[in-house]
Amino acid sequence: AQRVTQPEKLLSVFKGAPVELKCNYSYSGSPELFWYVQYSRQRLQLLLRHISRESIKGFTADLNKGETSFHLKKPFAQEEDSAMYYCALRELGGTALIFGKGTTLSVSS
Amino acid sequence: GAGVSQSPRYKVAKRGQDVALRCDPISGHVSLFWYQQALGQGPEFLTYFQNEAQLDKSGLPSDRFFAERPEGSVSTLKIQRTQQEDSAVYLCASSSRQGPFGQYFGPGTRLTVT
Repeated sequence: AQRVTQPEKLLSVFKGAPVELKCNYSYSGSPELFWYVQYSRQRLQLLLRHISRESIKGFTADLNKGETSFHLKKPFAQEEDSAMYYCALRELGGTALIFGKGTTLSVSS
Repeated sequence: GAGVSQSPRYKVAKRGQDVALRCDPISGHVSLFWYQQALGQGPEFLTYFQNEAQLDKSGLPSDRFFAERPEGSVSTLKIQRTQQEDSAVYLCASSSRQGPFGQYFGPGTRLTVT
């Protein structure tokens, strides 16, 4: 069963539009959740962690335990945000990251 | 400073051949992870080392897959008698603390089995 679900394979928006990349998870305990990003021809890199409650490059994500979601949001998309985004979960006490299948974000002018 | 490096970047193997993939983690990083990423999928966990100890190998898909990190730094993922379904990108990641805090990924090795 899919533990981390990213329902959109591709999300296309115009520059300046709001962005929401969806992530839902299946886990009964207290998860740690992450967003990773992979820009074209670059390696996978950590964007943000829910535990840090930080904003990176204008992106934020809030863990909603009731809806088991960790959606990634940005109010105004930029062309340089175009990339593949992966949501990942770590179980309490675990070591492995469980990734979703990823969503390609395409921002055009 | 240098990030995680992996070699080779690309490997083509004939079915049945053995391959060895190398990972050089960031110097001083205690934790090292291997992931397999098939086309169109997210990375899937294979195995985890803390220093030289392989603490979790639950993700290795078969006994043809073997990983080692004998001196607690460089790691090698070996695949014996490769099959077509082994074709994927193999990612290595390291972190300075136990667990996936601040995992730094390498560029990956793309393995194609023909």
